[in-house]
Amino acid sequence: DAGVIQSPRHEVTEMGQEVTLRCKPISGHDYLFWYRQTMMRGLELLIYFNNNVPIDDSGMPEDRFSAKMPNASFSTLKIQPSEPRDSAVYFCASSFRTSSNTQYFGPGTRLTVL
Amino acid sequence: QKEVEQNSGPLSVPEGAIASLNCTYSDRGSQSFFWYRQYSGKSPELIMSIYSNGDKEDGRFTAQLNKASQYVSLLIRDSQPSDSATYLCAVKSVYGGSQGNLIFGKGTKLSVKP
Repeated sequence: DAGVIQSPRHEVTEMGQEVTLRCKPISGHDYLFWYRQTMMRGLELLIYFNNNVPIDDSGMPEDRFSAKMPNASFSTLKIQPSEPRDSAVYFCASSFRTSSNTQYFGPGTRLTVL
Repeated sequence: QKEVEQNSGPLSVPEGAIASLNCTYSDRGSQSFFWYRQYSGKSPELIMSIYSNGDKEDGRFTAQLNKASQYVSLLIRDSQPSDSATYLCAVKSVYGGSQGNLIFGKGTKLSVKP
């Protein structure tokens, strides 16, 4: 079975540009999480969805960040406009039935904002 | 502010020794505890979960939980060079506005020397 799929794997963009990160969770999983990882702050939860509904977005750093989950098999994380401090690895993860069940992480998207 | 604290390391142990990784957490309402392993440039993967006070063993790995002391640890017996990675402690609380969230520590980097 395919794991969590993320695209792109690497993204290099210039400050001010819009960035869209994509995630396909494991089929049948009903929880989806977006994380950001940096050396300074570690792994931080940005937002999570249950059955396509956003449950907690308190980790979203500011209004420049938005996330959607239009259906059970697809989610996006958008940054507009991007800034150099947004440079990080962004992970998507999914789990089944409860958020305390094993979270399976995607390979991540390494974002560099110049 | 819920916090999960880990010694960043690096923790260096010789091959065959026991590696001991420690984690403390601030939220007394925490119910579920996890250890994730992350190889350099890869995504986190779950290796152990523990929910009750005491020890839980899985192969060479033993997780230990003491809720009174708000302390969770991971022991790796017969350490192998392939165990060299960053180990992330994660805690889930079922109380408060962040219900369902995993809060990650910044991780301890383990290096097993041949």
